[in-house]
Amino acid sequence: AQSVTQLGSHVSVSEGALVLLRCNYSSSVPPYLFWYVQYPNQGLQLLLKYTTGATLVKGINGFEAEFKKSETSFHLTKPSAHMSDAAEYFCAVTLQGGSEKLVFGKGMKLTVNP
Amino acid sequence: DTEVTQTPKHLVMGMTNKKSLKCEQHMGHRAMYWYKQKAKKPPELMFVYSYEKLSINESVPSRFSPECPNSSLLNLHLHALQPEDSALYLCASSPPAVLWHEQYFGPGTRLTVT
Repeated sequence: AQSVTQLGSHVSVSEGALVLLRCNYSSSVPPYLFWYVQYPNQGLQLLLKYTTGATLVKGINGFEAEFKKSETSFHLTKPSAHMSDAAEYFCAVTLQGGSEKLVFGKGMKLTVNP
Repeated sequence: DTEVTQTPKHLVMGMTNKKSLKCEQHMGHRAMYWYKQKAKKPPELMFVYSYEKLSINESVPSRFSPECPNSSLLNLHLHALQPEDSALYLCASSPPAVLWHEQYFGPGTRLTVT
């Protein structure tokens, strides 16, 4: 069965600094990978997704992620953090073709300090 | 319209009450989902409806009863809940014939069972 690992539970960065949120996946077949963001007291919003094709994926709000099969990783980055990026971020995986339920990582809380 | 709406936003109910949560989308999506999310945890899948038929029940207790009256509407009927059922209940939908990816989430209903 597929799974994702988000090591740690909290990341703190300064405004303007690089944001790097790590996600490693485990899947016996090619995966579809996602990053979702959840702002306080809100539902989840899809930031970006990798299905097939280009391995560098650009999403909303200046975020991007790179699918690296050799490293089984799908890390999320943003060059310059903004205060409004403070939220919970979830990495998720399903099998290519979408035949299995979405499996979420445990989440990472991002704090942005002024 | 790319929005999933959920009502009510907040709900407080006693253990003997019967209440319902409502979810609506007008994006033409034919898959709809209920998730339960406890604080500081990822969402947990409860039910999936595909083309208005229940396709997945993740062994959810019978005190939770889903209903999909039409392709735009999803209800979750609640009866005799326990305090540990207090959580954020999220509804999601995804495009026709495409389960799991591109799920659009609603803002959730925050349920407190007293």
